[in-house]
Amino acid sequence: DSGVTQTPKHLITATGQRVTLRCSPRSGDLSVYWYQQSLDQGLQFLIHYYNGEERAKGNILERFSAQQFPDLHSELNLSSLELGDSALYFCASSLTLRREQFFGPGTRLTVL
Amino acid sequence: DAKTTQPPSMDCAEGRAANLPCNHSTISGNEYVYWYRQIHSQGPQYIIHGLKNNETNEMASLIITEDRKSSTLILPHATLRDTAVYYCIVRVDYGGSQGNLIFGKGTKLSVKP
Repeated sequence: DSGVTQTPKHLITATGQRVTLRCSPRSGDLSVYWYQQSLDQGLQFLIHYYNGEERAKGNILERFSAQQFPDLHSELNLSSLELGDSALYFCASSLTLRREQFFGPGTRLTVL
Repeated sequence: DAKTTQPPSMDCAEGRAANLPCNHSTISGNEYVYWYRQIHSQGPQYIIHGLKNNETNEMASLIITEDRKSSTLILPHATLRDTAVYYCIVRVDYGGSQGNLIFGKGTKLSVKP
């Protein structure tokens, strides 16, 4: 158990819909990262928040957005969902920018 | 793109040492070598990291060559539960680093009885 929690574990929805994935980092960790893992693209970095502020963006679509709240939990919002958005979504947390990251168990999103 | 090259797959007998190689010939002086693994579809798990000295923890040992262009992750006594995809990643750990990890395709390690 990494100490990072993600909800829900599974999510099935339809094209065009909007969903919110939630991540609670390990106690004391200030950094939250979001990654997407699909069969054809592997693990890809989406976005990074540090202590409530966005620090870096990776291959994140404009339909996707995220935020980190004052209690340090983070949410990833995916809208206008397409079939290709079906993937595992992981969040990871670390104490600072420079420390190892600990990953949550992931949310499996299926878009039908 | 990932800055590392790893063999796509390896086999290891249970109880034997598993030696997983990684080439990172373009590594910069301020980049660390990190190893993570992913068991089936679980979240990646941090294993170990190092800059230039060899490192050991309860999970594994990391051997980095003197020129830092390659490294080897050693699982001293592999078990069936070590079957996973192992990722070698280089990352800047200070300065203006964003901190995100860039995953390649990794090495699929199969531990066999």
